[in-house]
Amino acid sequence: AQTVTQSQPEMSVQEAETVTLSCTYDTSESDYYLFWYKQPPSRQMILVIRQEAYKQQNATENRFSVNFQKAAKSFSLKISDSQLGDAAMYFCAYLSGNTGKLIFGQGTTLQVKP
Amino acid sequence: DTEVTQTPKHLVMGMTNKKSLKCEQHMGHRAMYWYKQKAKKPPELMFVYSYEKLSINESVPSRFSPECPNSSLLNLHLHALQPEDSALYLCASSQLELNNQPQHFGDGTRLSIL
Repeated sequence: AQTVTQSQPEMSVQEAETVTLSCTYDTSESDYYLFWYKQPPSRQMILVIRQEAYKQQNATENRFSVNFQKAAKSFSLKISDSQLGDAAMYFCAYLSGNTGKLIFGQGTTLQVKP
Repeated sequence: DTEVTQTPKHLVMGMTNKKSLKCEQHMGHRAMYWYKQKAKKPPELMFVYSYEKLSINESVPSRFSPECPNSSLLNLHLHALQPEDSALYLCASSQLELNNQPQHFGDGTRLSIL
C-alpha cells in the first residue's frame, strides 16, 4: 500500500521569508503523480502544484516550487516570499496511476508571521 | 470562486433525521468523489463515481448512501447518523480520461450530528 508522510505538524515563517515543507512517500508503483494542496480556514482544498513522477524537472508555480527526489521518494514544497495569505494547512498527496486514488499526508499547518 | 459547488454549507441534524448533501460541477468531469474530513486531519475517501457508476466504496456504513443522477451531480443521502459522523464532507471531481489530472474540491458541507 502507498503511504504519504509529512513529518512537520506545524511550521512558521516570517512574512517575505522562504519556508520548505517536507513530504516523503512510499510506493512500489511506477505510474503516479504528486500534488500539494492548501486548505485555509475557509476550508476549500486548493491545488498548489503538481509533479508527474516521470518528469525529472521540478515543478514551479510562481512563488511555489518543489524539490522532487524520486530515488529518495521525497517531494518537498518551497514557498518563497511568504505572504500572510499563505497561512493554511498544506497537504502532500499521492495519486496512483493504477487505481486513481488520492492519498493524503497528515498535513502541515503553516503560520505566517507579519 | 470554486468550480465545484456544495450545498448546504452547514447542516445540523438529529440521529433520526434524513438529509442529503449535494454537489455539482460543470467542468465536464466524469469522475466524482466524496471525502470525509475530521478537524486537522486529511480527507478520507468514501466513494468514487466514474461515468455515473459507483466504482469505489471504501467500506462506508450503509447509513451513507451516494447517488449520481447525472454527470454533473452527486448526492450523499444521510440517514440514522451517529455523533462520530460529524465532520466536513468534501466533494471533488476530476477528468476521467487521464488519471494524472488533479481533483478539484468544493468548499465542503460542515455536518453536525446532535
